[in-house]
Amino acid sequence: EDQVTQSPEALRLQEGESSSLNCSYTVSGLRGLFWYRQDPGKGPEFLFTLYSAGEEKEKERLKATLTKKESFLHITAPKPEDSATYLCAVQAGGSGNTGKLIFGQGTTLQVKP
Amino acid sequence: GAVVSQHPSRVICKSGTSVKIECRSLDFQATTMFWYRQFPKQSLMLMATSNEGSKATYEQGVEKDKFLINHASLTLSTLTVTSAHPEDSSFYICSARDGGGFTGELFFGEGSRLTVL
Repeated sequence: EDQVTQSPEALRLQEGESSSLNCSYTVSGLRGLFWYRQDPGKGPEFLFTLYSAGEEKEKERLKATLTKKESFLHITAPKPEDSATYLCAVQAGGSGNTGKLIFGQGTTLQVKP
Repeated sequence: GAVVSQHPSRVICKSGTSVKIECRSLDFQATTMFWYRQFPKQSLMLMATSNEGSKATYEQGVEKDKFLINHASLTLSTLTVTSAHPEDSSFYICSARDGGGFTGELFFGEGSRLTVL
């Protein structure tokens, strides 16, 4: 069964304190791993897509990396406006692929000034 | 990125009534849209895959007669919660992929919060 597990569930950081969020996955034929940011009461906002092990992508203070079993979202020198829930999702391959995403539980990040 | 819009953003209804939520792709065509549901402090759970011009595909455990999906055009999918009950109160979010293919970024709407009294 395809599964996505994120850790930690919640993370509190001081402004400027760098850290990483983890996303472990089990999927039959990875078609893509996605990171989203979700603010309270809003829909998820797309951040990154990673397709193969070893791939890395960066955007401002965020950097996403991918291995065959997990992905990390590194946050460098975070600011209070980075506070949000970060969601990881995978798209499985194989026959019957409909393009749907399977989401993890999310990591809620709080950055204090 | 591509824009997906939902309406209404909030709806309150009485138990037993039906509620329709619209999902539109504003600047692209989408042959496939996805409907998710999110309960407080939980992640997104896929309800169904909406296919333009054909029947939706529902995930296991989702009642197709309760959650009616219509995808009548390449830019519009609707979710109707029929005979809503308080346990249907949730945050409903739709998503679509530019071009409707099976790979690439999936963009989400702003979500619709349903409260059933």
